[in-house]
Amino acid sequence: ETGVTQSPTHLIKTRGQQVTLRCSSQSGHNTVSWYQQALGQGPQFIFQYYREEENGRGNFPPRFSGLQFPNYSSELNVNALELDDSALYLCASSHFTTGPTDTQYFGPGTRLTVL
Amino acid sequence: AQKITQTQPGMFVQEKEAVTLDCTYDTSDQSYGLFWYKQPSSGEMIFLIYQGSYDEQNATEGRYSLNFQKARKSANLVISASQLGDSAMYFCAMREEEHTGTASKLTFGTGTRLQVTL
Repeated sequence: ETGVTQSPTHLIKTRGQQVTLRCSSQSGHNTVSWYQQALGQGPQFIFQYYREEENGRGNFPPRFSGLQFPNYSSELNVNALELDDSALYLCASSHFTTGPTDTQYFGPGTRLTVL
Repeated sequence: AQKITQTQPGMFVQEKEAVTLDCTYDTSDQSYGLFWYKQPSSGEMIFLIYQGSYDEQNATEGRYSLNFQKARKSANLVISASQLGDSAMYFCAMREEEHTGTASKLTFGTGTRLQVTL
C-alpha cells in the first residue's frame, strides 16, 4: 500500500510569485485535504476535495485554490505569494464517510519559504 | 474560544516511563471524533489513535491509549514505556459532526513537544 506523497519537499519563492504543490493520495482513498502549518502552530485547514470538487474550505483567501484529478491526486495553487504564506503545507488523504470517523493520513509536507 | 486546548508546550519523560499528554476540547456536537497525531522533526503527521464520541471504551493502539472523559471534555494521550523515538510534537485534533457529509475538517491544538531522556 502506497502512502501519501507530496512534491516538492522544499520550495523557495519570492513575494508576488505563484506556486503549485502536488499530492498523491494513499491507495483506496478518494478525498484530499490541505492544511497550512505555520512555525510553532498546529495545522490549519485550507480546503478539501472530493469527486474533483471543493468540498469545504477554511478561512483562506481565494488566491488559495486547488484541483483534484480523476486518480484522486491533488494540487494546491497559491497566487500572489505573501511573506506570511511561508509554512509547511500538508496534504492528507482519507476515504469519504458520512460520519466523523474517517482518519486522515498525512504526507511528509512541502516546506514553502517566501522571500 | 479554542476548540482544542493543549496546555503543555513541552514535556520530559524518562525512557521506559509512562507519560500523559493533555487535551481538552470544546464542541456542542453530540457526534465527533478525536485524534492524536505525532509529528517528528521531519514534518510528517503520523496518525496514532482515534476515539469516537459514542465509544464507551477508551481507545488503545499498542503503547498508546486515550483516556477519554466525555463529561470533562478531555481526551488525554497516554504513552506507556516511552522510547527515545517517541521524542516529537504531539497534536490533538477533532472532527465535529457539523462537518459530517461535507468537509471532514480537522481542528488541531497547538501541540506538545515531548522529549524522552535516558
